[in-house]
Amino acid sequence: RKEVEQDPGPFNVPEGATVAFNCTYSNSASQSFFWYRQDCRKEPKLLMSVYSSGNEDGRFTAQLNRASQYISLLIRDSKLSDSATYLCVVNIKGGMRFGAGTRLTVKP
Amino acid sequence: ETGVTQTPRHLVMGMTNKKSLKCEQHLGHNAMYWYKQSAKKPLELMFVYSLEERVENNSVPSRFSPECPNSSHLFLHLHTLQPEDSALYLCASSQEGQTRIGGYTFGSGTRLTVV
Repeated sequence: RKEVEQDPGPFNVPEGATVAFNCTYSNSASQSFFWYRQDCRKEPKLLMSVYSSGNEDGRFTAQLNRASQYISLLIRDSKLSDSATYLCVVNIKGGMRFGAGTRLTVKP
Repeated sequence: ETGVTQTPRHLVMGMTNKKSLKCEQHLGHNAMYWYKQSAKKPLELMFVYSLEERVENNSVPSRFSPECPNSSHLFLHLHTLQPEDSALYLCASSQEGQTRIGGYTFGSGTRLTVV
């Protein structure tokens, strides 16, 4: 089983749509959780941390369910500039483990 | 300069060459990492350095040799690589104890092609 699994997509949505990404992780000792964004041929950049209580940053909402080892990211009112690959990241002692990413394309 | 800087941005090398990738961070972090990103695969953690000591080596072939002379610099020495080693090599840094909050900061990467 992969350490971090994501639906690779692609997700093609119109502007203004709401889209949700899911992620599962295999190591129950995982300590912290993140969503990163990676644009084509660029480095990953931190989008937001994910907390058990759920957290929101503008149009982005992240949720963590430790019991199910499941993480989600919700994007509301999608913008063209949201088009990117979204990486689910789990911090295990010794280093962060990345999912393969979910590709999102927002169209006019 | 700010952030994490990697050089070169692009590298083409033959299988018999020896080359080095360089990473420098200006964030005052005390941990640095090498990741490999191949097409349509997750980032693979290669090496972890914390306080200039290597704390993890994820079964990376010996043709990849890391070096961390101080907390700001990290190198990846390459020799006798194979074509399947062609990938984007990303360096990252973090502050131990604050990774939980801030995650990692990545450099722009070196795109390596082995011919």
